[in-house]
Formats: sequence, C-alpha cells, structure tokens
Amino acid sequence: QKEVEQNSGPLSVPEGAIASLNCTYSDRGSQSFFWYRQYSGKSPELIMSIYSNGDKEDGRFTAQLNKASQYVSLLIRDSQPSDSATYLCAVSGNYGGSQGNLIFGKGTKLSVKP
Amino acid sequence: DVKVTQSSRYLVKRTGEKVFLECVQDMDHENMFWYRQDPGLGLRLIYFSYDVKMKEKGDIPEGYSVSREKKERFSLILESASTNQTSMYLCASRVEVNTEAFFGQGTRLTVV
Repeated sequence: QKEVEQNSGPLSVPEGAIASLNCTYSDRGSQSFFWYRQYSGKSPELIMSIYSNGDKEDGRFTAQLNKASQYVSLLIRDSQPSDSATYLCAVSGNYGGSQGNLIFGKGTKLSVKP
Repeated sequence: DVKVTQSSRYLVKRTGEKVFLECVQDMDHENMFWYRQDPGLGLRLIYFSYDVKMKEKGDIPEGYSVSREKKERFSLILESASTNQTSMYLCASRVEVNTEAFFGQGTRLTVV
C-alpha cells in the first residue's frame, strides 16, 4: 500500500512569517511530487511540481525534495492571510498503465493570522 | 487552459438509486481519476483510467463502477446509492504518468 503522510495541523503562522509544510511517502519508486492548495468548499489547485532532488522556487513558494529520505516539503515565504487553506501533497510513481496512479496525503491546514 | 468539467455541482439522490457522475476534459489527457473527499480522510482514490476502456481500482472501489468509452469522458457510477456515499466527488485528469493533474470543480453528492 503506497502511502503519503502529512501533519494534519492546523499550522498557525503570523502574517509575514515562513510557513513550512512537510510530507513523507512510502514508495521508493515515486518519481513526481506535487503540492496542491485547497480552499474550503473548492477543488484542489496545483501550486508546484518537483521531480529532482533539491529546491525549486516559484515566487513565494519553494518546494524541496529529498528522495533518499523520501521527504518533500513546501515553504511559503511572507505568508499572507490569503494563503490560509489546506495544502495537499501528492505523489506519483514512474509506472505506466495500471500502476500509474496518483496518491494524496490527507493535507495540512494552514492558518495565517493577520 | 486545461478544463475539467463535472456535470453537476450539487446532487441529491435517494437511497437505492443508480447515480451517474460525469467528467469531461478537453485536453486529450490519457489519465483520468475519480476521488472522494471526506473530512479527516482526505482524498481517496476510487478508480482511475489510464487509457480508453482501461481502468484500475483505487483504494475504495466498493459500490462504484466506472466507464471510459471515449478519451475525454470518464463516468463514475454508483450502482445503488447508499447514505455512506454522501461525499464530495472530485474528478482529475493529466496528460500522462508523472505530469500534474487538474481537477474539476467537484460534485457534492447527498444521498437521503
């Protein structure tokens, strides 16, 4: 059973601070990793994708991947109240056909206080 | 822009009814997924399809079936709706394995 684990939170940070969200996964064959943001009552929207070890930056967001430790994280710099949402980590293996599913963690709820 | 469209935003059905949830994508994506989302349980995979007429069970397929007769359309079928199938249902699609998936707007299904 492939698993993706996240702390459920809630994670509370003050406005302007760095929010750090973490995710671990069980399948060593995993090749692609995604962070989604989901506002209450809405569907998930993609924030970042990362495929190689190291950091990937996009604006205020930085995704970090360490395949040896089976760990992926998301940093949000200069957090804003509008960043308050649930953040979902998703993992996909490099398997085609019937093995190519996409597994999500349960999500971490982030609250940014003004 | 990728567009994934689910047929209904809200749906109320009676116990025992056969329910069809439709999902259409307009970007020639190979892979399509059906998830349900419940508080505290996260997104759970019901079924996914990796090509036309090809499907694979996810973690919770019991009580559900799927159909993918055309590449752009992936249907989820509740054979005999029960109250424990009340949930938010989310469809997603992606070009192929290892690419990002895009979600439809979700269908909130209530079974009474």
